[in-house]
Amino acid sequence: AQKVTQAQTEISVVEKEDVTLDCVYETRDTTYYLFWYKQPPSGELVFLIRRNSFDEQNEISGRYSWNFQKSTSSFNFTITASQVVDSAVYFCALSEAAYSGAGSYQLTFGKGTKLSVIP
Amino acid sequence: GAGVSQSPRYKVAKRGQDVALRCDPISGHVSLFWYQQALGQGPEFLTYFQNEAQLDKSGLPSDRFFAERPEGSVSTLKIQRTQQEDSAVYLCASSLPDGVSTGELFFGEGSRLTVL
Repeated sequence: AQKVTQAQTEISVVEKEDVTLDCVYETRDTTYYLFWYKQPPSGELVFLIRRNSFDEQNEISGRYSWNFQKSTSSFNFTITASQVVDSAVYFCALSEAAYSGAGSYQLTFGKGTKLSVIP
Repeated sequence: GAGVSQSPRYKVAKRGQDVALRCDPISGHVSLFWYQQALGQGPEFLTYFQNEAQLDKSGLPSDRFFAERPEGSVSTLKIQRTQQEDSAVYLCASSLPDGVSTGELFFGEGSRLTVL
């Protein structure tokens, strides 16, 4: 069975600090996808990134970066120079397979990490 | 609007009442998902539609939960004889087929159900 663990329940940082959100996953599949979503207070989950299991290259998008390490089954997310607008709950998620045809994904989410950025 | 629309945003029901939650996905999105998010938890998969076909309903917690998407666009999640443990936010998401998307699910803002 697949499982996603986000050990950090809540994190508080002062604005402009860097912060890393941890994600550890479990799966028996060799082909899988990893995701990060942001959930602001409005409640709508916002897609941040998808990585497939064959691509271990780290990715950077502006102040966001992701470190995928298959050897430790981790997919950590770092925000550089945090801002108040980054305050939200962040979810890591795993999908083991793509449905045929539509090719959409059933996601298993972690419990989330609540990030508070203090001005 | 251009996003996934859900209604009602908030619903309070007395235990034993039936409720219906509506999801209007992004136009042209083939796939539609329902997730349940309990307070302080991550979303949990309930069911999946490809057009009007319900391909996976393995996450529905009991036979009191029923979902439909009769014309392959709008979907309704119905909960019969609501119980207190049904209190949660119900999230709907839609997406394009994988070949033309990044695998991104577009989520609505959810319907928050409180059962008294």
